[in-house]
Amino acid sequence: LAKTTQPISMDSYEGQEVNITCSHNNIATNDYITWYQQFPSQGPRFIIQGYKTKVTNEVASLFIPADRKSSTLSLPRVSLSDTAVYYCLVGDSRGSTLGRLYFGRGTQLTVWP
Amino acid sequence: NAGVTQTPKFRVLKTGQSMTLLCAQDMNHEYMYWYRQDPGMGLRLIHYSVGEGTTAKGEVPDGYNVSRLKKQNFLLGLESAAPSQTSVYFCASSYSGQGAPYEQYFGPGTRLTVT
Repeated sequence: LAKTTQPISMDSYEGQEVNITCSHNNIATNDYITWYQQFPSQGPRFIIQGYKTKVTNEVASLFIPADRKSSTLSLPRVSLSDTAVYYCLVGDSRGSTLGRLYFGRGTQLTVWP
Repeated sequence: NAGVTQTPKFRVLKTGQSMTLLCAQDMNHEYMYWYRQDPGMGLRLIHYSVGEGTTAKGEVPDGYNVSRLKKQNFLLGLESAAPSQTSVYFCASSYSGQGAPYEQYFGPGTRLTVT
């Protein structure tokens, strides 16, 4: 399994940039890196996905180095509403490998006023 | 367009009882998934399906069975509930295709307590 390792928790203040790093040493050639966000009592929600280099959308940026053994989710100017658990997943969409998608324990981000 | 719905939202079972959790999606997704989430833990994949009539085991399949008789529905069954199955159960669905895993859309969850 292409399991991932993330910090268990992080703290930040409103307005700061937050970077959450995920380690995935066993990433396979066909694997993509996907990040989800989960609020209490809700299901996870997709944030961003990438294969290599940098991806940016209206919510976050994802930085992936050339060796792809790690990735960093960057949240610009966080607010209190960004307090949530963030999960890094590694895998691809082939039906035979879907069972490899692994959420792990995620990173609890707490944003303080 | 309701997305992914789960029935019931809450349930309390006694040890040894059986029940079925229903997941329905109206997005015409091929792939569907069942996860469980224990307190302070991440999501663990129980079973998944890549299409109508097909299912496969995930990370923690023991004690559960699933069926996908219709494309839009994915049922999770507990034949003989155990206290260790007390958890929050999430259903998700996604498009299929080669390459990048498509976004998984999650339901609101079912909170199950087994006493």
